[in-house]
Amino acid sequence: DADVTQTPRNRITKTGKRIMLECSQTKGHDRMYWYRQDPGLGLRLIYYSFDVKDINKGEISDGYSVSRQAQAKFSLSLESAIPNQTALYFCATSAPPDRGPYNEQFFGPGTRLTVL
Amino acid sequence: AQKITQTQPGMFVQEKEAVTLDCTYDTSDQSYGLFWYKQPSSGEMIFLIYQGSYDEQNATEGRYSLNFQKARKSANLVISASQLGDSAMYFCAMGANTGFQKLVFGTGTRLLVSP
Repeated sequence: DADVTQTPRNRITKTGKRIMLECSQTKGHDRMYWYRQDPGLGLRLIYYSFDVKDINKGEISDGYSVSRQAQAKFSLSLESAIPNQTALYFCATSAPPDRGPYNEQFFGPGTRLTVL
Repeated sequence: AQKITQTQPGMFVQEKEAVTLDCTYDTSDQSYGLFWYKQPSSGEMIFLIYQGSYDEQNATEGRYSLNFQKARKSANLVISASQLGDSAMYFCAMGANTGFQKLVFGTGTRLLVSP
């Protein structure tokens, strides 16, 4: 089974709809992240959370909100979707720095979201 | 603020040859980490290799090596003996702040390996 799962994997929605993307992990990591990927722009950080009570805005948080329901679950919401939020969304996790010399982020498979 | 620049939108290489993917970075931090990820056409992000700013030796992981030149602020990925399965997008990323927990990504390089 995958360590980081995302649901749904694909979603088509309409402008103005509320949508939630969910992420779950079994890696036991306390740090979780949401990124979006647009063609030619690489990945950009939307929100990150270092534990259940810690939520931080990333580079492009406008139009998004998150919820950290548990250590293993981190959800991304689009309250009123718009077409320029069409993108590939990734959830990622990492261990805290005291558990290794470096801390690569482990990515989920991605959610492809289309807003019409 | 951290910035990653990948100037090669696309690269071509023949099977079994070596290829270098360029990455330059900008940061005022003294301590940072540099990462390379591979994204095949299936879309997942696969971690390849890491280099810490204080590591004196270049990192290697199998066929991957990272040519780290700190003074030039470059962290190029070298893939030796290219395989068809290496065809993918490759992203360079920098870890910002203590613990390297926030990654800043470059725009990526698409590598195509031909038979």
